[in-house]
Amino acid sequence: DIKMTQSPSFLSASVGDRVTINCKPSQNINRFLNWYQQKLGEAPTLLIYNTNNLQTGIPSRFSGSGSGTDFTLTISSLQPEDVATYFCLQHNNRPYTFGVGTKLELK
Amino acid sequence: EVQLVESGGGLVQPGSSLKLSCVASGFIFSNYGMHWMRQAPKKGLEWIALIFYDGSEMYYPDSVKGRFTISRDNSKNTLYLEMNSLRSEDTAMYYCAALRLGTPFDYWGQGVLVSVSS
Repeated sequence: DIKMTQSPSFLSASVGDRVTINCKPSQNINRFLNWYQQKLGEAPTLLIYNTNNLQTGIPSRFSGSGSGTDFTLTISSLQPEDVATYFCLQHNNRPYTFGVGTKLELK
Repeated sequence: EVQLVESGGGLVQPGSSLKLSCVASGFIFSNYGMHWMRQAPKKGLEWIALIFYDGSEMYYPDSVKGRFTISRDNSKNTLYLEMNSLRSEDTAMYYCAALRLGTPFDYWGQGVLVSVSS
């Protein structure tokens, strides 16, 4: 199974900050990585698919980059509504596996 | 509007069985592979089952293989997850998801809670 090492597990930042979250798969997953946002008490929603494709309706302050074994989610200017937990998901190989999540809070 | 509505959760004893359902609407159900995911309390997400659009193939991780069975009835737009030999570590929120991974088609239900405890 591919292990997804996600960091940091917790992040505190201020409104307007640039925020980055990292996922490192244990093996090459090409570009088959999605990013999800999960707000408290809700189901996850897709932010980015296949590394850098922004889902419809997602603000452009969200972006993704990377390939192979190193991927990054960037929020260019943090907004209050971005408080949530963020997960990466690799879908290169079954079983599909998630990162442990990054809980993002406002400072 | 795509909607996925799960049902069938509850509190059960270890070793027992439970069957979850997910009714889909707002898209052509028979065209899409369907998944179940779960999330243990205050934990991360785990993919636990995939069924192809026509029910021809199913896949599971080792954590549930041999105990859980995913199935679908395309005439009823309904996805199922039959769970046997339940363990305390199966306690989680279970999500039905309509995903075509690598595309924008990505929809999740609101989840149904399964608690396994004596």
